[in-house]
Amino acid sequence: QQQVKQSPQSLIVQKGGISIINCAYENTAFDYFPWYQQFPGKGPALLIAIRPDVSEKKEGRFTISFNKSAKQFSLHIMDSQPGDSATYFCAASTNQGGKLIFGQGTELSVKP
Amino acid sequence: DSGVTQTPKHLITATGQRVTLRCSPRSGDLSVYWYQQSLDQGLQFLIQYYNGEERAKGNILERFSAQQFPDLHSELNLSSLELGDSALYFCASSVGAGWNNEQFFGPGTRLTVL
Repeated sequence: QQQVKQSPQSLIVQKGGISIINCAYENTAFDYFPWYQQFPGKGPALLIAIRPDVSEKKEGRFTISFNKSAKQFSLHIMDSQPGDSATYFCAASTNQGGKLIFGQGTELSVKP
Repeated sequence: DSGVTQTPKHLITATGQRVTLRCSPRSGDLSVYWYQQSLDQGLQFLIQYYNGEERAKGNILERFSAQQFPDLHSELNLSSLELGDSALYFCASSVGAGWNNEQFFGPGTRLTVL
């Protein structure tokens, strides 16, 4: 019940295209859903986060869509750029603390 | 640069040995988290400290222990090392202890157990 399932494992998108990464969870106590971006040799960095009281959050080219009833959320990267090539992790936590449960990660490659 | 520092960057050791990984949080952050990243397990939460006190525990092995010192730096001690302990170990820090505090990750320590 603590798992967060992420798909796809890898994704190849053409420059200018839309990248979509999906996550699903079981634990209804999860109250915070961040997305992290990780470049090779670096630690993960927070990209964007959402709480379940909103269905969508947009920051620049990055949008989180959240479906509470389906217990699913997704990251959309509009106008994908080669510089977006990285590994993306969805995560979740409850409001009882800062412990993050991460998905397995998606390796995104944006081709020029 | 997140402001979180971790030393050493790389560590190569043998099975059965003990190592200590060190983390200095961002200035002003009171909470420190340790995560393990491996190919088969992904990113796994190990343990969280807040202002010197243990706050939350994940699937941390009994051979592993951590502490946070009065100056807020933290150390993760790994003992009786096994081949399967080879992984990237990340430290993260945040201002507070709760879910709504952004966690800033350090660059990690790559541990190789031979």
